[in-house]
Amino acid sequence: GQNIDQPTEMTATEGAIVQINCTYQTSGFNGLFWYQQHAGEAPTFLSYNVLDGLEEKGRFSSFLSRSKGYSYLLLKELQMKDSASYLCVVMDSNYQLIWGAGTKLIIKP
Amino acid sequence: DVKVTQSSRYLVKRTGEKVFLECVQDMDHENMFWYRQDPGLGLRLIYFSYDVKMKEKGDIPEGYSVSREKKERFSLILESASTNQTSMYLCASSPRGEVDIQYFGAGTRLSVL
Repeated sequence: GQNIDQPTEMTATEGAIVQINCTYQTSGFNGLFWYQQHAGEAPTFLSYNVLDGLEEKGRFSSFLSRSKGYSYLLLKELQMKDSASYLCVVMDSNYQLIWGAGTKLIIKP
Repeated sequence: DVKVTQSSRYLVKRTGEKVFLECVQDMDHENMFWYRQDPGLGLRLIYFSYDVKMKEKGDIPEGYSVSREKKERFSLILESASTNQTSMYLCASSPRGEVDIQYFGAGTRLSVL
């Protein structure tokens, strides 16, 4: 079966750095997405990786290793507004999206 | 900015009622999707549509139907609501292309009593 694993919840301190990991086993691979979802709101697109390596976008970076079936989202200089759930999503060989259950990130002052 | 609008944020219905959830997008996107989101689970795809009048079953279509009469509007229908359909329903749209970045509505939280 197809599976995406990410931690259920993480806690970090304002101003710090946090890394949210995602491992996947899917039928083929056509890219990996990260979405952010604040409580009670719509998921919004953060990043897309299809090649190995690190993609940096401001305070957020996303890394992919296809051989390991592994990605992480790195958030730097954490702000209280970064408190949200972060969803890891893989597009399989049929271009179908497989969604992880999300990691709830709690930021403490 | 892309805007995806869902007609209701909260709905309370009774078992057996017919329920309509409406979704409208304003960016001329070809693709539209309906998901449900439940605690501890990833988003699950109910139905999707790649064009007007087109519909495809997702992973959990049982108990649901959809309608896409116009490009901008995608409706989800619960023919006879049941308590196990209590959930958050999310509509999304995306443009045709290789990288399927989806744009979501704010969601409808449906409670079936």
